[in-house]
Amino acid sequence: QKEVEQNSGPLSVPEGAIASLNCTYSDRGSQSFFWYRQYSGKSPELIMSIYSNGDKEDGRFTAQLNKASQYVSLLIRDSQPSDSATYLCAVNGPLGSGYSTLTFGKGTMLLVSP
Amino acid sequence: DTGVSQNPRHKITKRGQNVTFRCDPISEHNRLYWYRQTLGQGPEFLTYFQNEAQLEKSRLLSDRFSAERPKGSFSTLEIQRTEQGDSAMYLCASSKDVGTQYFGPGTRLLVL
Repeated sequence: QKEVEQNSGPLSVPEGAIASLNCTYSDRGSQSFFWYRQYSGKSPELIMSIYSNGDKEDGRFTAQLNKASQYVSLLIRDSQPSDSATYLCAVNGPLGSGYSTLTFGKGTMLLVSP
Repeated sequence: DTGVSQNPRHKITKRGQNVTFRCDPISEHNRLYWYRQTLGQGPEFLTYFQNEAQLEKSRLLSDRFSAERPKGSFSTLEIQRTEQGDSAMYLCASSKDVGTQYFGPGTRLLVL
């Protein structure tokens, strides 16, 4: 069973729309959840972190966490062409590491068309 | 605020050669991580240090891979007898304790 799962996409949205990115994870012991953005050929850049159930907003970005459902999502409002990138969901774990490391999904590619 | 730096940014080598990469973390960060990323995949954990102690190594890290962090500052990752399957982006990240990890620009390795 894969530990962190994301749809690979691409997810295509028009400029100005809301983009919704989803992630599920398997380890119920995970407590820290992150969204990274990665442009082609570049390294991951932190977008959001979330630790508690509910929503966390930062500018155009909202992260949502539901630990009971083991589900994390990222909403991007007013999507811009510059948001076109791969979005990586990362979860702390696994148990064997003392939850000190990150386990990443494969990422969802987002394409925002002008 | 100086971010994580990695050198070299690109490395092309022939199969069987040894390569070494360097990572300089954010100055106040005591934890340093190495990840590997191949095309279409998310980063995969390789190893991490807290200060100078190497606390964990992934089973992905074969005997040909070795990492050091002398004096708890910069870290080096060496790959001996490189294979074509080692071609990947090698990413370094750092954090303060178990806080958020910040990534460097990566070293892209191509083994011919």
